[in-house]
Amino acid sequence: EAGVTQSPTHLIKTRGQQATLRCSPISGHTSVYWYQQALGLGLQFLLWYDEGEERNRGNFPPRFSGRQFPNYSSELNVNALELEDSALYLCASPRGGQGLSSSYNEQFFGPGTRLTVL
Amino acid sequence: AQSVTQLGSHVSVSEGALVLLRCNYSSSVPPYLFWYVQYPNQGLQLLLKYTTGATLVKGINGFEAEFKKSETSFHLTKPSAHMSDAAEYFCAVRDSGYSTLTFGKGTMLLVSP
Repeated sequence: EAGVTQSPTHLIKTRGQQATLRCSPISGHTSVYWYQQALGLGLQFLLWYDEGEERNRGNFPPRFSGRQFPNYSSELNVNALELEDSALYLCASPRGGQGLSSSYNEQFFGPGTRLTVL
Repeated sequence: AQSVTQLGSHVSVSEGALVLLRCNYSSSVPPYLFWYVQYPNQGLQLLLKYTTGATLVKGINGFEAEFKKSETSFHLTKPSAHMSDAAEYFCAVRDSGYSTLTFGKGTMLLVSP
């Protein structure tokens, strides 16, 4: 089965612009998690979507938003980009795909999108 | 709130030497614990996980970790390092009632010949 896919691989934007990142979970999985991996800060949880709804949100400003489509793919939008938004953005989907009931299941990660803000 | 501390942002070992990467966590409920590895320019790959049962967990590539509740630790070990083990390693915790993961800041493992 295909793994988690993300596009684009790299994205270069300037301050104030908007960025759109895309993720497709493992086929049949309904949950998508977004994480930000910024230099020196490790991985920080951004957003969790399941069955088309936002289930949880990390400590990020509202200009970080997203959505999940009927086919369970997801978009992460970052508005009014700032230099510190430069990071690797990782998407993950859990084995089993059911959100809350899969709390012990590992998450499978995509290769990430490297966002650079100039 | 749950948290994860990884001691040492960088660990250097010689090829063939013991690998020990330290992870301590805090959690108000029994945790589920994970170790992930990230090779350069790649996403994260699961090495091993602890949920319930046996406290010594074996993973891929010869790695293992032991859950010690009294010490709130989940250290990762490998008896003999290979050059191919050079990567960044992340410890993560999930409270049983939540689905999101809390990660440590990562430890870069450097392996010298």
